[in-house]
Amino acid sequence: GQNIDQPTEMTATEGAIVQINCTYQTSGFNGLFWYQQHAGEAPTFLSYNVLDGLEEKGRFSSFLSRSKGYSYLLLKELQMKDSASYLCAVRLRGGYQKVTFGIGTKLQVIP
Amino acid sequence: DAGVIQSPRHEVTEMGQEVTLRCKPISGHDYLFWYRQTMMRGLELLIYFNNNVPIDDSGMPEDRFSAKMPNASFSTLKIQPSEPRDSAVYFCASSTSGANQPQHFGDGTRLSIL
Repeated sequence: GQNIDQPTEMTATEGAIVQINCTYQTSGFNGLFWYQQHAGEAPTFLSYNVLDGLEEKGRFSSFLSRSKGYSYLLLKELQMKDSASYLCAVRLRGGYQKVTFGIGTKLQVIP
Repeated sequence: DAGVIQSPRHEVTEMGQEVTLRCKPISGHDYLFWYRQTMMRGLELLIYFNNNVPIDDSGMPEDRFSAKMPNASFSTLKIQPSEPRDSAVYFCASSTSGANQPQHFGDGTRLSIL
């Protein structure tokens, strides 16, 4: 099985930087996704990592360390619209396109 | 381009009734996934299909749940009989093959069983 851990809630200030961590324990790792989900809406894709290192996409970056079973999502220049839940999802080798989602981190951005 | 389309958006029904949720994946996507989301358990995979064939239904809670994909553009998730604990948001998602291909989610069906 898989075990994926994320903090349940975080609060950050508009304009600041926030890092949302995700740790996983699994065998046969084959990629990690981050999704954003606004309240009452569907999850939407943010980023994908399969190799160690940092992937940058505008204000959002995602980092992966396979040896440590660790990833983080970095949000810069926070805006009020970034208030949402952020879901980490892990895919295993041989699992086709199946992923397992963490419980999600609810981020509140305050003025 | 049209995204994943789910219907109905909301469903309220009494326990014991049959519930049918519908999904139209993105054209050209060969994977289709059904998820259930609750506050307590988060987003749970119920079943997924590849080229209309069920690959893994280990997440289906019990025999009351069934899913079909009669063709590449339509899938249903059926609950019969429904129970109050089935109340949740049910999402359908689709994707193409490929290591870095994400899943695209529909807007979900908010199901309440009274």
